[in-house]
Amino acid sequence: QKEVEQNSGPLSVPEGAIASLNCTYSDRGSQSFFWYRQYSGKSPELIMSIYSNGDKEDGRFTAQLNKASQYVSLLIRDSQPSDSATYLCAVRGNDYKLSFGAGTTVTVRA
Amino acid sequence: SAVISQKPSRDICQRGTSLTIQCQVDSQVTMMFWYRQQPGQSLTLIATANQGSEATYESGFVIDKFPISRPNLTFSTLTVSNMSPEDSSIYLCSVEETGGSPLHFGNGTRLTVT
Repeated sequence: QKEVEQNSGPLSVPEGAIASLNCTYSDRGSQSFFWYRQYSGKSPELIMSIYSNGDKEDGRFTAQLNKASQYVSLLIRDSQPSDSATYLCAVRGNDYKLSFGAGTTVTVRA
Repeated sequence: SAVISQKPSRDICQRGTSLTIQCQVDSQVTMMFWYRQQPGQSLTLIATANQGSEATYESGFVIDKFPISRPNLTFSTLTVSNMSPEDSSIYLCSVEETGGSPLHFGNGTRLTVT
């Protein structure tokens, strides 16, 4: 499986702040990129997908992709306590399989 | 997105026994996968469940230990055979509804082997 690296956590941010999550990947041929949120004891839930370079915004979430740098990020604006979870970066290579990073645990302090 | 029902949700099993996990989707899907998530770790792909043919296993996983069936486009099973405590993990069924679409996950099966 391809390598997917995420910035080590845990990441603690105050309520209302921006949480910034980073991910790099090794397979230059990767075409699809996803962010999943996983609450403790639950299964991963898709929150963002991005396929082309640039920014993609969905509510308080913004995904950024730079294929030349093999880098994808997720910004969470106006962080809420309900955003406290582990965020998983996932990358799909040309073999259609999804590889996951180790995850970054985010804690939003009220 | 598709509704994915996975059962059992959890089980405690004795070493040496086998457990079969079922995954039922409410619509036909292109791809079905089985992942494992060991405590405190990320997801590792076990295999791709192929409809009507043998599953495709990832490095480190073998059919004798993790036999998989997929008789149609909405159902798959994963068996964890001859279990040992090292098999204690969460097992997740995931589906890709159409080619290239994101994966969605079932609620998982939390397995504890004593």
